[in-house]
Amino acid sequence: KAGVTQTPRYLIKTRGQQVTLSCSPISGHRSVSWYQQTPGQGLQFLFEYFSETQRNKGNFPGRFSGRQFSNSRSEMNVSTLELGDSALYLCASSLAPGSSTEAFFGQGTRLTVV
Amino acid sequence: AQKITQTQPGMFVQEKEAVTLDCTYDTSDPSYGLFWYKQPSSGEMIFLIYQGSYDQQNATEGRYSLNFQKARKSANLVISASQLGDSAMYFCAMRYTTSGANNLFFGTGTRLTVIP
Repeated sequence: KAGVTQTPRYLIKTRGQQVTLSCSPISGHRSVSWYQQTPGQGLQFLFEYFSETQRNKGNFPGRFSGRQFSNSRSEMNVSTLELGDSALYLCASSLAPGSSTEAFFGQGTRLTVV
Repeated sequence: AQKITQTQPGMFVQEKEAVTLDCTYDTSDPSYGLFWYKQPSSGEMIFLIYQGSYDQQNATEGRYSLNFQKARKSANLVISASQLGDSAMYFCAMRYTTSGANNLFFGTGTRLTVIP
């Protein structure tokens, strides 16, 4: 069974640009959550999607947005990139919100903003 | 407010020895789940083990076991027979299940180095 797939793995963008990251969850998993990992702030929750609906959102500015498609694949978008957005972005996949005893992560997308 | 504390920024262990990585949490919610993840330098977060707050037995997965002490609000990870490939960052995380939310709250991590 395939794991969580995140694309691209690496990305370099310029300040002010926008970026879209993709996450395909494990087959059968319908809940997708996104996290940002930086050396200074550690791992922080961005948002969670289930059945194409955002169920939960972390404390990030509106430049960070996401969506989920009917096949459970999810995308997150960051507009007007800032240097501080440089981070490892991780996506986690679960069967359903709140009840899963497992949450599997992808390999992440490493975003560098220059 | 929820909080996960990992007090050991770095740990060293001799190959084939056991090691305990500490994790304490703070919550007033009666229903929660505790997770441990391994993150090698490649960046991927590898799921290791899960413990539910109502589970009577400590969770075990191969060489990994979770020493769950609910009254003390601790969920330490024990790795037996350490291997060189165990060198990585280890994160403890918690999720509240009462609310139905799925987001995880992470500790700051412990960097484990296995010495040959």
